[in-house]
Amino acid sequence: DIQMTQSPSSLSASVGDRVTITCRASQGVGIFLNWYQQKPGKAPKLLIYAASSLQNGVPSRFTASGSGTDFTLTIISLQPEDLATYYCQQTYSTPPVTFGQGTRLEIK
Amino acid sequence: QVQLQQSGPGLVKPSQTLSLTCVISGDSVSSNSASWYWIRQSPSRGLEWLGRTYYRSNWYYDYAVSVRSRMTINPDTSKNQLSLQLKSVTPEDTAVYYCARVEAMGRGVAAFDIWGQGTMVTVSS
Repeated sequence: DIQMTQSPSSLSASVGDRVTITCRASQGVGIFLNWYQQKPGKAPKLLIYAASSLQNGVPSRFTASGSGTDFTLTIISLQPEDLATYYCQQTYSTPPVTFGQGTRLEIK
Repeated sequence: QVQLQQSGPGLVKPSQTLSLTCVISGDSVSSNSASWYWIRQSPSRGLEWLGRTYYRSNWYYDYAVSVRSRMTINPDTSKNQLSLQLKSVTPEDTAVYYCARVEAMGRGVAAFDIWGQGTMVTVSS
């Protein structure tokens, strides 16, 4: 199975900061990588698909890049409503579907 | 607008069967492009996929190794829903359970684009 490792596990940032989360796959997944945002008590929500494509309705302050094994999700200017846990997920080799362990983002 | 509405008990006794239902609106469980998943989330296991079903002229099923011997997914075309049955549950099956749709999103990549609201299931006597 392909393992997904995110870093950091948690971070704290201020409104307006630029925030970057990384995701590494245990083997190459091409661009078959998605990012999700999960707010407290809610289901995950698709933010980014195919490594860098913004899902409809997602604010443009979210941007992502990468291919192969290394990926990043960046929030260009952090907003209070971005408080959430962020997950990467590979869809290159399924089943099984595999997710990263999550990055918890706190607002200072 | 596609929506998934989950229902089922929040408390199940050890050794009993966990049963959940996911009613689909705005799409069809027998869609030729979608796949329908059950996923659970717990602090110890994170987001863990459990199984999926999809229809491509025939019904297909896949289950995670960890639950394969205990789990069944049933699509019901008459009610446009899918169900999950997990037998012989233990406290380790305590989690939030989600149904979710996978669809092709573009650039040849599929993603979980629609999720149910989640059901917290506690296994306890």
